Amino acid sequence: EAGVAQSPRYKIIEKRQSVAFWCNPISGHATLYWYQQILGQGPKLLIQFQNNGVVDDSQLPKDRFSAERLKGVDSTLKIQPAKLEDSAVYLCASSPTPSGGPNTGELFFGEGSRLTVL
Amino acid sequence: DAKTTQPPSMDCAEGRAANLPCNHSTISGNEYVYWYRQIHSQGPQYIIHGLKNNETNEMASLIITEDRKSSTLILPHATLRDTAVYYCIVRALNTGGFKTIFGAGTRLFVKA
Repeated sequence: EAGVAQSPRYKIIEKRQSVAFWCNPISGHATLYWYQQILGQGPKLLIQFQNNGVVDDSQLPKDRFSAERLKGVDSTLKIQPAKLEDSAVYLCASSPTPSGGPNTGELFFGEGSRLTVL
Repeated sequence: DAKTTQPPSMDCAEGRAANLPCNHSTISGNEYVYWYRQIHSQGPQYIIHGLKNNETNEMASLIITEDRKSSTLILPHATLRDTAVYYCIVRALNTGGFKTIFGAGTRLFVKA
């Protein structure tokens, strides 16, 4: 079974530029999550989708961050304009249901996209 | 905010058991204890979870105290590949509160 795919793995931009990250969840997983992980910290949930609808975006800085999952499959996270403090790893995760994987409730994570803002 | 408290780092000798503690004194009756780990440059990986009984799988054992206010993840024979950050998380299942909220975790160093 293919895992969660993310791209690009690495991105370096200057402040005030824009960037987009792409995520393709595990096939059949209705719930998709974007997390931000700053160096030395645990992942922080930015947004959660159920199919193509937003379940929770309370921690998403909406003045500069946006995310979409138009067809309920893959998703894009955009930052415009980027700030220095946006330097982080952006992790995408998926699960079959909002409560996680069958029997375990686990989330399945991709390898992340590392953003450096100069 | 994370509902758990973990030591920031621990060392363990290769081949010995690694015992990682977690305090979750405000855990609710419907909340499970989950453990994930994150190896460098990878996303977090699920290890194990439990409600009140001790649990064991091929990766680890989870010991939850009777009052459920703390738990211990046990890696019975730690290897160098177990060097990672280990996250203890409490969350409800199927009854709302699905959020998986990570704290800072415990950085485990397994030494040869």
